[in-house]
Amino acid sequence: SQQGEEDPQALSIQEGENATMNCSYKTSINNLQWYRQNSGRGLVHLILIRSNEREKHSGRLRVTLDTSKKSSSLLITASRAADTASYFCATVPQETSGSRLTFGEGTQLTVNP
Amino acid sequence: NAGVTQTPKFQVLKTGQSMTLQCAQDMNHEYMSWYRQDPGMGLRLIHYSVGAGITDQGEVPNGYNVSRSTTEDFPLRLLSAAPSQTSVYFCASRVAGGNEQFFGPGTRLTVL
Repeated sequence: SQQGEEDPQALSIQEGENATMNCSYKTSINNLQWYRQNSGRGLVHLILIRSNEREKHSGRLRVTLDTSKKSSSLLITASRAADTASYFCATVPQETSGSRLTFGEGTQLTVNP
Repeated sequence: NAGVTQTPKFQVLKTGQSMTLQCAQDMNHEYMSWYRQDPGMGLRLIHYSVGAGITDQGEVPNGYNVSRSTTEDFPLRLLSAAPSQTSVYFCASRVAGGNEQFFGPGTRLTVL
């Protein structure tokens, strides 16, 4: 079963607006990562947040983590058409090695120009 | 660096055929993994390797074999293809002690 579950499954916004995607997971984690996948391409790592961190920023990306609720959110500010892609959260459970990334089902983001 | 490369990009097989999906990386990464991605789903781990000569099963290993004779290569073998193995396959690698995984472009496999 999928460790991470993203919400919403699909999101359509206008350029310049902010996009927020949420991820919930089931077990205790070592860290949580967000990846982007452009259509027909491989995944690209965006940002990682460790279990002892609550918020992290990278450029227009802001990630939060609430371990008590087992949830994370990814905020993309001032979105651009080039941000159109699928976004996946991936968790590294505490009891496994770092290779055992468990992915959610993804959020398909469409940014309309 | 070419990063993670996968061949072929596309493949059509008949039920019962066997084939090998190739994956190579030139970043000297110790960890390599194989995932499959089905429509509307995230990636599921098939097999992974923490170094040459060492492999382990992931979430959905049945029907697949792997080996890791060199650091660079991590081939995935389908022993007897089934329609349920129709999917997009991604190979990924990362450095030991790191967290970021680097993904290849994927192989789209159709089993008829």
